[in-house]
Amino acid sequence: DSGVTQTPKHLITATGQRVTLRCSPRSGDLSVYWYQQSLDQGLQFLIQYYNGEERAKGNILERFSAQQFPDLHSELNLSSLELGDSALYFCASSVSGTEYGYTFGSGTRLTVV
Amino acid sequence: GQNIDQPTEMTATEGAIVQINCTYQTSGFNGLFWYQQHAGEAPTFLSYNVLDGLEEKGRFSSFLSRSKGYSYLLLKELQMKDSASYLCAGPSYNQGGKLIFGQGTELSVKP
Repeated sequence: DSGVTQTPKHLITATGQRVTLRCSPRSGDLSVYWYQQSLDQGLQFLIQYYNGEERAKGNILERFSAQQFPDLHSELNLSSLELGDSALYFCASSVSGTEYGYTFGSGTRLTVV
Repeated sequence: GQNIDQPTEMTATEGAIVQINCTYQTSGFNGLFWYQQHAGEAPTFLSYNVLDGLEEKGRFSSFLSRSKGYSYLLLKELQMKDSASYLCAGPSYNQGGKLIFGQGTELSVKP
């Protein structure tokens, strides 16, 4: 157990729907990062939050949004889902930046049918 | 830009040594990370080089040359369980510490 908790582990939904993925960071970590990994693709950075504030944004689609709550857990909202959104979504956390690397959660496997 | 390049796949024999290379554009990164990822699982941290030179950690070693934008991961005494994807990643100077990952090198260890 890495200490980073992601729920749900698996999600199957239909095109056009909206889903929410949840992440609880490791105790003491203030930064949360979201990554998407499609089949045969590398880890694509989506967005980072630090202590409730958005700090960095990657190639995140406008249909996707995220937030970090006062208790530091984070949610990634994916709407108007398309088949191409099927992927593994990973959350990672760190104390602040990358000085000590990230700790990844076990991921949420999203399948859009 | 902050592109990272590594070979797509490699094959090696159990008990052997394998070196996985990673090259990157020198601007924008403060050191280099290596992660291991088994299929369908989370990446796990292997090493972080912030200074030039070789860092040894058991069967795994990692090397960095910042001036050349070059790193490698050396795996010794290969075991079947080392079959996995190996990702190099650079921490971005700007934008608060996001990691930029390479596509990963899929290593297959054969008996």
